[in-house]
Amino acid sequence: SAVISQKPSRDICQRGTSLTIQCQVDSQVTMMFWYRQQPGQSLTLIATANQGSEATYESGFVIDKFPISRPNLTFSTLTVSNMSPEDSSIYLCSVDKGLYNEQFFGPGTRLTVL
Amino acid sequence: DAKTTQPNSMESNEEEPVHLPCNHSTISGTDYIHWYRQLPSQGPEYVIHGLTSNVNNRMASLAIAEDRKSSTLILHRATLRDAAVYYCILRSGTYKYIFGTGTRLKVLA
Repeated sequence: SAVISQKPSRDICQRGTSLTIQCQVDSQVTMMFWYRQQPGQSLTLIATANQGSEATYESGFVIDKFPISRPNLTFSTLTVSNMSPEDSSIYLCSVDKGLYNEQFFGPGTRLTVL
Repeated sequence: DAKTTQPNSMESNEEEPVHLPCNHSTISGTDYIHWYRQLPSQGPEYVIHGLTSNVNNRMASLAIAEDRKSSTLILHRATLRDAAVYYCILRSGTYKYIFGTGTRLKVLA
């Protein structure tokens, strides 16, 4: 299994600013994933982050808006840039781990943009 | 990516079994069927997965149709703590999970 923590757990931000979300895993993992969950909606994959390479973004998400860092095998950050109210969501990170390569998710970061 | 279809919501009485259906008519031979659930204010958690045969674990059972175009997650005795959104996901050789809308399960005391 894997234990994942995220910081901050929640934040309220002003339009036009940026927020960096941290994701820490208690063991080394190859792949880390970032998801967005808009209010009342399901999860949407933003990007996949491998250590030592550029993140791979899903359709509809771009690096300028959601830059990702993956400096080592236990840590990643997602930045939400130039925020607007439409970015208000829960952002979750996850990792592939476990006997069946199931994904373990962090508790999420609840972002509100005013 | 193959897609899944689930009812938006279901209700169950406490202590009774719950059968959560999932249709995946476009499933390919290499797709595993995964189930996750998301409790309120938490990230999703793994429940169970299978390929062809029915599966049991401490949390639930997974019944897979012979043609694999549908599956059913079975909670044998629902408790109030089982109230969550349950997601049925197909996963092949890729690492990506494509989440559908899920089924919101309400458990009545």
